[in-house]
Amino acid sequence: DAKTTQPTSMDCAEGRAANLPCNHSTISGNEYVYWYRQIHSQGPQYIIHGLKNNETNEMASLIITEDRKSSTLILPHATLRDTAVYYCIVRSTGGFKTIFGAGTRLFVKA
Amino acid sequence: EPEVTQTPSHQVTQMGQEVILRCVPISNHLYFYWYRQILGQKVEFLVSFYNNEISEKSEIFDDQFSVERPDGSNFTLKIRSTKLEDSAMYFCASSERLGNSPLHFGNGTRLTVT
Repeated sequence: DAKTTQPTSMDCAEGRAANLPCNHSTISGNEYVYWYRQIHSQGPQYIIHGLKNNETNEMASLIITEDRKSSTLILPHATLRDTAVYYCIVRSTGGFKTIFGAGTRLFVKA
Repeated sequence: EPEVTQTPSHQVTQMGQEVILRCVPISNHLYFYWYRQILGQKVEFLVSFYNNEISEKSEIFDDQFSVERPDGSNFTLKIRSTKLEDSAMYFCASSERLGNSPLHFGNGTRLTVT
C-alpha cells in the first residue's frame, strides 16, 4: 500500500472549516484514500473514503486531486469535539491490512 | 447504528498468564481484524481473519498470539503467556468486504500486564 505524508499538527478555530492535507504521491490505480480519526484513546473512527471522485457525507468532504497524488479532508464547521488525531490511509482493493501512520493532531480552539 | 463491541474494557493480568480478549463484530461483516496501540504510539496492525482463517499477520503476531471465531458472533484474541510489553490498547475491527469497505473499530480493551 502507498505511503502517506501528513502534517504533524494543525490548529483550527471553532466554527471555521478545518482543511487537513495528505500527500500520497505513490498511490496506484486500485488504491482508495481513507480517513479515520481517533479521539483520546478511543477506537479509530471511520470518516470518509474515495477512489478518484470527491466525496461528501454528514461528517466531512474529501477532495482528491485529479492526479490522485494528494487529498484534503474538510470538516466544514469544526467544533471542540473534532479535536483528535486524523489519519489519511491508502488501501488497495485486495489488501487485508490498513496501516496507520502518525496522523495529524488537530486542535480546535474556542 | 450497528457497532463493534469489545469486552472487557480493562484487563489486568500478571506476567506469564494467558488472556483472552473478546469482540463481537458487526453481524453482516466478513473480515475481522485486531490492532494494538501502545500508549503514545501508533495504531499497529496485528492480524486479519477471513473465512475462518488468518489472511494476513504482522511480525508482532508471533506464536504467543492466536485468534479464533468460536461461534457465529464472537472473535477472540488470545495471548498465551503475557509479557510486560504486551500492555497496550487492543482494538478489534470488522469490515463488510475488502477495498471499498471501511473498517469499523470497537472502543478497545486496555490490557495491563504487571
